[in-house]
Amino acid sequence: AQSVAQPEDQVNVAEGNPLTVKCTYSVSGNPYLFWYVQYPNRGLQFLLKYITGDNLVKGSYGFEAEFNKSQTSFHLKKPSALVSDSALYFCAVRDINGQAGTALIFGKGTTLSVSS
Amino acid sequence: DTGVSQDPRHKITKRGQNVTFRCDPISEHNRLYWYRQTLGQGPEFLTYFQNEAQLEKSRLLSDRFSAERPKGSFSTLEIQRTEQGDSAMYLCATAGALDTQYFGPGTRLTVL
Repeated sequence: AQSVAQPEDQVNVAEGNPLTVKCTYSVSGNPYLFWYVQYPNRGLQFLLKYITGDNLVKGSYGFEAEFNKSQTSFHLKKPSALVSDSALYFCAVRDINGQAGTALIFGKGTTLSVSS
Repeated sequence: DTGVSQDPRHKITKRGQNVTFRCDPISEHNRLYWYRQTLGQGPEFLTYFQNEAQLEKSRLLSDRFSAERPKGSFSTLEIQRTEQGDSAMYLCATAGALDTQYFGPGTRLTVL
């Protein structure tokens, strides 16, 4: 069965420091991988995705993620955190061996807190 | 603003009442998804439409839930005989050819 694990409920970093939010996945075939961010009482905003190609994917707001097939990971990173990055981050996967349009499977989310 | 709109944003109802939510997609998106999100959890898939056809339904979608997408445009999600366990945020997402799902702001349902 497909699944996503975000092992940290919360990540705390100081403004200006690099940040990493971890994600590991399990699918039977090849994955499409996504990161979304959610602010309080709002819907999810798309940050970036990995479909194929370069393992390092760049997305919105200076975020990037590295796909590692051997470790089945897709960690979200940013070189220098901002206080405004504080939010709830979700990793999601879709098994591309399924039919196009299959739903995303989400992790439980990681709360990122950036202190000034 | 992703371009996906949902109405209402908040709904408070009494147990046993019926509720209906609406989602208006990005106009060129032919795929539409409904998810449910409870506190401390990621969104969970409920159902999927391609144009007007409902192609997938989750086991979470009990027989009290029904969804429609007439003419392949807006979609509605109805919950009949609401229960307190139905309290959640209901999210709509739409996708086009690039297969990235864009989410609406959600409808927060509270069942008293």
